Amino acid sequence: AQKITQTQPGMFVQEKEAVTLDCTYDTSDPSYGLFWYKQPSSGEMIFLIYQGSYDQQNATEGRYSLNFQKARKSANLVISASQLGDSAMYFCAMREVRRSGSARQLTFGSGTQLTVLP
Amino acid sequence: DGGITQSPKYLFRKEGQNVTLSCEQNLNHDAMYWYRQDPGQGLRLIYYSQIVNDFQKGDIAEGYSVSREKKESFPLTVTSAQKNPTAFYLCASSMGPSWGGSWNEQFFGPGTRLTVL
Repeated sequence: AQKITQTQPGMFVQEKEAVTLDCTYDTSDPSYGLFWYKQPSSGEMIFLIYQGSYDQQNATEGRYSLNFQKARKSANLVISASQLGDSAMYFCAMREVRRSGSARQLTFGSGTQLTVLP
Repeated sequence: DGGITQSPKYLFRKEGQNVTLSCEQNLNHDAMYWYRQDPGQGLRLIYYSQIVNDFQKGDIAEGYSVSREKKESFPLTVTSAQKNPTAFYLCASSMGPSWGGSWNEQFFGPGTRLTVL
């Protein structure tokens, strides 16, 4: 079974509009963390936002927010006021404490290619 | 500036040759990782190391080897046993073992694109 599922291979959004990128996950570990990374065409991975499984509030970082629905096992990324520079590949990732122990192993989804239109 | 460097940016290899990818970090991080990324796919973990002189296999370790003789360095060797080595390789590092908070994130290098001719 897929640990991290991103069902949108590609998304388009008009500049200045908001967009939601979907991510669902599968784990039986009660302690886990969810991450979103941005990968521009140059290839580097840029950390965007983090949500812990015990966090009571949804994470926010500037224009990025995470819509965390624990019962549904979803952790969707919301980008508000899209900019042309937001065009990139976006990856959702998870770390399970029980599986990884003290290591920081991440399991990644297959990604969503976001294109912002002028 | 603190960060992770990978070299070379592009690497070409003939079939049957071993090749070593460099990864260096000056973030004083204990843990380091190697990932492989194929076109249109996410990252898959090859090897990781939590501390000097120790490393563990990830999900796709076959055909790869690593060493961790220094805290700053975690080179990856792609051996001739790796049947399909053409891919984008990313190195990452993170703080030592503990749990909690967004500072758990992994910091990534710029990557090395390996092509087998």
